[in-house]
Amino acid sequence: EVQLVESGGGLVQPGGSLRLSCAASGFTFSTYSMNWVRQAPGKGLEWVSHISSYTNTIYYADSLKGRFTISRDNAKNSLYLQMNSLRAEDTAVYYCAREWAIWGQGTLVTVSS
Amino acid sequence: QAVVTQEPSLTVSPGGTVILTCASSTGAVTSGHSPHWFQQKPGQAPRTLIFDTSNKHSWTPARFSGSLLGGKAALTLSGAQPEDEAEYYCLLSYGGAYVVFGRGTKLTVL
Repeated sequence: EVQLVESGGGLVQPGGSLRLSCAASGFTFSTYSMNWVRQAPGKGLEWVSHISSYTNTIYYADSLKGRFTISRDNAKNSLYLQMNSLRAEDTAVYYCAREWAIWGQGTLVTVSS
Repeated sequence: QAVVTQEPSLTVSPGGTVILTCASSTGAVTSGHSPHWFQQKPGQAPRTLIFDTSNKHSWTPARFSGSLLGGKAALTLSGAQPEDEAEYYCLLSYGGAYVVFGRGTKLTVL
């Protein structure tokens, strides 16, 4: 079964850091580009970042201003999102997506003191 | 940054037909924007219905179809079912991997 499972979310104070993970299974992870998307409570979807299959191309949403870093480990079938200098407005469910066909169930990040 | 506009809400009768649209602030939507459509129900992750304007996944119900219509991307639902009540998002690509989601259309089947 093709599956993506996010983890690493939780409660963090403003200014703190978190690292999200996305574990892939059921397909050849290394051959697909991946995306992170977030959804603030009661709001719409917002694209966060993209990484190509062999990490040669990386893009970020302009709004992130260099605070987030996407990476992947094809040997571990895993995608990551390092989030630094977190703000209240980063509070959201974070989804990983295989290109745009397969989505994980999401992990909630709450930034609050 | 481009803004992608969708109808905030639409209502369709059971068995009826409704068209959701997706417009770009930069001009007409073309196949080059690789329009995608997603369905999201409360408490669930998004599910992709349509990719690259009009292509369906194996799980996409036949009653959904995608097209370009009057300079916009369009998602047509023919023969609406109660289970189609959901939020629908479109996604447009603007070069490379830069993409923008629309704000979503809340579809009510009533």
